[in-house]
Amino acid sequence: AQTVTQSQPEMSVQEAETVTLSCTYDTSESDYYLFWYKQPPSRQMILVIRQEAYKQQNATENRFSVNFQKAAKSFSLKISDSQLGDAAMYFCAYKRGNQFYFGTGTSLTVIP
Amino acid sequence: EAGVAQSPRYKIIEKRQSVAFWCNPISGHATLYWYQQILGQGPKLLIQFQNNGVVDDSQLPKDRFSAERLKGVDSTLKIQPAKLEDSAVYLCASSFTAANTEAFFGQGTRLTVV
Repeated sequence: AQTVTQSQPEMSVQEAETVTLSCTYDTSESDYYLFWYKQPPSRQMILVIRQEAYKQQNATENRFSVNFQKAAKSFSLKISDSQLGDAAMYFCAYKRGNQFYFGTGTSLTVIP
Repeated sequence: EAGVAQSPRYKIIEKRQSVAFWCNPISGHATLYWYQQILGQGPKLLIQFQNNGVVDDSQLPKDRFSAERLKGVDSTLKIQPAKLEDSAVYLCASSFTAANTEAFFGQGTRLTVV
């Protein structure tokens, strides 16, 4: 079974600063997708960013970027210029075909 | 484009009672997922449908949980009888296909079993 590990249950960042959330995963496959989802108190999971494993270039979406290290099976999320609205639970997820697994989440607090 | 719709948003029931949750995925999405998210944990897949067929229900407690997706569109998830440990948020998600595409989530149903 695939596993996704987020080793930081809680993180905090000063507004306008940069924070990095960690994620590692376990797989024997070479072709898969990785995602970061954000879950605010409203509970709705919102896609932040996605990375295709066959692409070497790290994905970027505005203030969000990833550091994808395929050999190390690492997929960290960097949030630049943090804003109060970034406060939420962040989940790392692995998907390949019918398999779609989530980590345990990191709770991000943004300090004004 | 309308998102994934779920109802109800909240439900409180006594243990041993029955409860049902409803999900309407995004139009055209063939794949539908039901997840259970216990407080402080990540979502755990309960069941996955591809159109109206079950693809994966390996983590569904089949003695008390059931789900169906008639006509390959709407889906219902039922718990009968409920236990205290079933208290959780039940998330429905859909994706265009089961292939490597992202899933879109509904707002979830928060179930409290007392």
